[in-house]
Amino acid sequence: DTEVTQTPKHLVMGMTNKKSLKCEQHMGHRAMYWYKQKAKKPPELMFVYSYEKLSINESVPSRFSPECPNSSLLNLHLHALQPEDSALYLCASSQGSQEYQPQHFGDGTRLSIL
Amino acid sequence: GENVEQHPSTLSVQEGDSAVIKCTYSDSASNYFPWYKQELGKGPQLIIDIRSNVGEKKDQRIAVTLNKTAKHFSLHITETQPEDSAVYFCAAAWGKLTFGTGTRLTIIP
Repeated sequence: DTEVTQTPKHLVMGMTNKKSLKCEQHMGHRAMYWYKQKAKKPPELMFVYSYEKLSINESVPSRFSPECPNSSLLNLHLHALQPEDSALYLCASSQGSQEYQPQHFGDGTRLSIL
Repeated sequence: GENVEQHPSTLSVQEGDSAVIKCTYSDSASNYFPWYKQELGKGPQLIIDIRSNVGEKKDQRIAVTLNKTAKHFSLHITETQPEDSAVYFCAAAWGKLTFGTGTRLTIIP
């Protein structure tokens, strides 16, 4: 079992739907991340939150909207997604946002866009 | 930006033998090099990491070596077991993590 919990595990949505992915960690970590992983590819960074503030946005389309309500929670709000957005969405956390801090991943949400 | 190359893309090893996966990176400023294991349906799991001021690190059957001059680092798994079968990713960090393309390791019983 991982210490980073993601819900739901699977999500199927239409292109006009609005949904949210949730991530929770109770390790006292102050940096949290969203990654996107396509099949047979490595994870790609989307967003970084450090001390609940957005510090990195890797030029992600605005149909993905991150939110960090508190130091333990990270959400990813989805709206008007495209079929190519189907992927595994991974959340990670680390003690701080410095590059040498180990990142710990959840098991992801597998998203399918119809 | 950083670029990480990983080889081989697939590796099949007889149970009990050793497995070696190699990565090279482009940005000499990178100073942290983790290795992740990803099993089917799971997220990446950190298995070992090394920082730029260390040349080698070992944890039971797993070891990582780093050559900063040549900008390459390697994962060594000894006495392989069926549960070692997974996809392995190396990564290099300067500002953010950049992952290699992955190695699918299969342990043959």
